[in-house]
Amino acid sequence: DGGITQSPKYLFRKEGQNVTLSCEQNLNHDAMYWYRQDPGQGLRLIYYSQIVNDFQKGDIAEGYSVSREKKESFPLTVTSAQKNPTAFYLCASSATGWEFGYTFGSGTRLTVV
Amino acid sequence: DQQVKQNSPSLSVQEGRISILNCDYTNSMFDYFLWYKKYPAEGPTFLISISSIKDKNEDGRFTVFLNKSAKHLSLHIVPSQPGDSAVYFCAAIEGSNYKLTFGKGTLLTVNP
Repeated sequence: DGGITQSPKYLFRKEGQNVTLSCEQNLNHDAMYWYRQDPGQGLRLIYYSQIVNDFQKGDIAEGYSVSREKKESFPLTVTSAQKNPTAFYLCASSATGWEFGYTFGSGTRLTVV
Repeated sequence: DQQVKQNSPSLSVQEGRISILNCDYTNSMFDYFLWYKKYPAEGPTFLISISSIKDKNEDGRFTVFLNKSAKHLSLHIVPSQPGDSAVYFCAAIEGSNYKLTFGKGTLLTVNP
């Protein structure tokens, strides 16, 4: 079955530590995305990648980093420079043709303790 | 600057009645508009989309209407069911851009 897998589902981090969120897809989609959801804020784009070894900043990229070494994988690192990292993080992928938009993963809830 | 706006944070309707969720946009370059449904602690799931060259698209109980001159779209759910209770996001995309821009969402509650 094709889909997007995000892991872990819940993640706790101490202040000052970096943490990496995993996102893997087997849909053969070229493009992948990271969004962040905060209460009352909707979904905000962090980074996106249209092709392997290339990625662009979204609207709120500060304090985050990504890599795209394989088509199937797009990990997101939340660095200690991110001032308010506690949020729900969503990974998505898309193919060409926009009738169906993105396919989303089930999300990772990151909590800084 | 919000390009996609959902001005109603919440909506409550009775089971069996119509739910109408509204969305406004400012970017005239958007090619496609989509609606997503989201439950807490889950990823959004695609509901229905409409191309900018159409004014209506229907799929079962869900119909999306697009008024380009007013830069407004709406999602109609008829009849509403308790299982429809979720947050609904309006989203839009410029075809060459690959980026979906989301509204802030509307929490729909369907009461039995």
